[in-house]
Amino acid sequence: GQNIDQPTEMTATEGAIVQINCTYQTSGFNGLFWYQQHAGEAPTFLSYNVLDGLEEKGRFSSFLSRSKGYSYLLLKELQMKDSASYLCAVKDSNYQLIWGAGTKLIIKP
Amino acid sequence: GAVVSQHPSWVICKSGTSVKIECRSLDFQATTMFWYRQFPKQSLMLMATSNEGSKATYEQGVEKDKFLINHASLTLSTLTVTSAHPEDSSFYICSAGTGEYQPQHFGDGTRLSIL
Repeated sequence: GQNIDQPTEMTATEGAIVQINCTYQTSGFNGLFWYQQHAGEAPTFLSYNVLDGLEEKGRFSSFLSRSKGYSYLLLKELQMKDSASYLCAVKDSNYQLIWGAGTKLIIKP
Repeated sequence: GAVVSQHPSWVICKSGTSVKIECRSLDFQATTMFWYRQFPKQSLMLMATSNEGSKATYEQGVEKDKFLINHASLTLSTLTVTSAHPEDSSFYICSAGTGEYQPQHFGDGTRLSIL
């Protein structure tokens, strides 16, 4: 079966750095995506990795290792507004998005 | 770019009513759109894949006759919840992508409350 694992919940301090991990087992791979979802709102696209390595976008970076089936989302200089759920998703061989359950990130002052 | 508009944002109606939700890609053409449902504090659940000019592909357990999907053009897909009941109350979200390797972009979602 296809499976994406990420921690259910994480807590971090304002101004700090947090790394949210995602491991996946899918039938084929056509890209890994990270989304942010605030409570009561639709997800918004954050980043996309298709090749191994690090993609940096401002305070957010995403890393991929295809051989390990592993990715992480790194958030720097955390702000209170970063409190949200972070969703990891993988496109499989049929280009269908397989979703993780999401990681709820709580930022404390 | 890649803006998806969803309407309405909120619907409150009586049990037995049918409700139509529209999803539009504003600045690109989408041969495929996706419909999701999300219950409070739960994960996104894909309901169906909407294909322009052909029948939608429904996920296992989703009733085709209850959730009617029409993808009449490259920029519009509609989801109609027929004879809605309180258990259909949920957050419905559509998405679309610009290509196979591209991310899906989401509409703002429709919060449906059936009394």
